Amino acid sequence: TQLLEQSPQFLSIQEGENLTVYCNSSSVFSSLQWYRQEPGEGPVLLVTVVTGGEVKKLKRLTFQFGDARKDSSLHITAAQPGDTGLYLCAGWSLGNAGNMLTFGGGTRLMVKP
Amino acid sequence: DAGVIQSPRHEVTEMGQEVTLRCKPISGHNSLFWYRQTMMRGLELLIYFNNNVPIDDSGMPEDRFSAKMPNASFSTLKIQPSEPRDSAVYFCASSFFLAQPQHFGDGTRLSIL
Repeated sequence: TQLLEQSPQFLSIQEGENLTVYCNSSSVFSSLQWYRQEPGEGPVLLVTVVTGGEVKKLKRLTFQFGDARKDSSLHITAAQPGDTGLYLCAGWSLGNAGNMLTFGGGTRLMVKP
Repeated sequence: DAGVIQSPRHEVTEMGQEVTLRCKPISGHNSLFWYRQTMMRGLELLIYFNNNVPIDDSGMPEDRFSAKMPNASFSTLKIQPSEPRDSAVYFCASSFFLAQPQHFGDGTRLSIL
């Protein structure tokens, strides 16, 4: 069974602070995606990373894929209340049984004004 | 463009009843996924299809759960008989191909009394 550990599980910060969310595994992923989910809605894709060491930026969000493609991080600069939500990472890997998809447990972020 | 469409949005029923959840994926998408989300267990992948064929159903919790995809534009997830512990939000998602970014529906909030 593959595991994708996300940390922290919960994060409550003030507007303007920076934060980093981590997604770690012992498995190698061919690609890793980050989603954000708001209450009452389904997750929405933020970014996909596929190359070890890759860094992608989306406004104040910076995503990094580990060199070994086993881990990833999401860094938010100057967080705003609109960043509040559940952040999920999801990794695809190729196993003996074919393609496998694993979701992390999520990081619930609250940004207070 | 229409996104992934799920119905019903909410369902409340008594234990022992049959429950059928429906999903219409985005036109042209070849992969379809069913998830269950609870506060305790997070987002769990139940089953996914590729080109209407079930690929991995290892996440289906019990024989009471079944999923079908009779054609490229429709899928159902059935629970029979339903139990209170099945209460959760059930999401359907689709993507162009496996490992591509997924587009989620707004979910069906299921309550089994």
